Amino acid sequence: SQQGEEDPQALSIQEGENATMNCSYKTSINNLQWYRQNSGRGLVHLILIRSNEREKHSGRLRVTLDTSKKSSSLLITASRAADTASYFCATNLNAGNMLTFGGGTRLMVKP
Amino acid sequence: NAGVMQNPRHLVRRRGQEARLRCSPVKGHSHVYWYRQLPEEGLKFMVYLQKENIIDESGMPKERFSAEFPKEGPSILRIQQVVRGDSAAYFCASSEGAGNQPQHFGDGTRLSIL
Repeated sequence: SQQGEEDPQALSIQEGENATMNCSYKTSINNLQWYRQNSGRGLVHLILIRSNEREKHSGRLRVTLDTSKKSSSLLITASRAADTASYFCATNLNAGNMLTFGGGTRLMVKP
Repeated sequence: NAGVMQNPRHLVRRRGQEARLRCSPVKGHSHVYWYRQLPEEGLKFMVYLQKENIIDESGMPKERFSAEFPKEGPSILRIQQVVRGDSAAYFCASSEGAGNQPQHFGDGTRLSIL
């Protein structure tokens, strides 16, 4: 099974609302990263949070990390139609440099 | 600065042919990763390379698949004797260093096997 599992798998909201996506993982991590993928495109890095950090902000994005629960959340505030995309969490394990991705949350923001 | 460049964007092959996917990392990045993505799924790690060395190929099938990152030129992912199940999007990423570094992704090569 995958290291990262996102929840929900799909989310539909109105413009201006907040969107919260969750990610759970199984093993110890070095860091956790969130990426966005627009249809037919590559992944765009959003935020990297290290295992010793609890919260990070970047513009309208807020990421939390709870290593005791092996979970992370991504909050997008005041969503826009342009935020419509798939969002993936990825874990970087202590042993290596590769990323292990979850299945993603498909976010649709309606204008 | 150019990001990660992958070509071709789309590649169609018949069963039994060879597929070569190319990736030029961000200028100055010496760490390259290849991932595979099936429709509606997340990316699956295949191989991690530094210049001229394969560091981790644990996600790459032992048969038919190979990867290289020569001293000069792009990284190449090569799939020999392709089968229908190889149809997927293949993404390349690069990073400046190891550890706590974000990875920068290309737009992928969509491989279709007839």
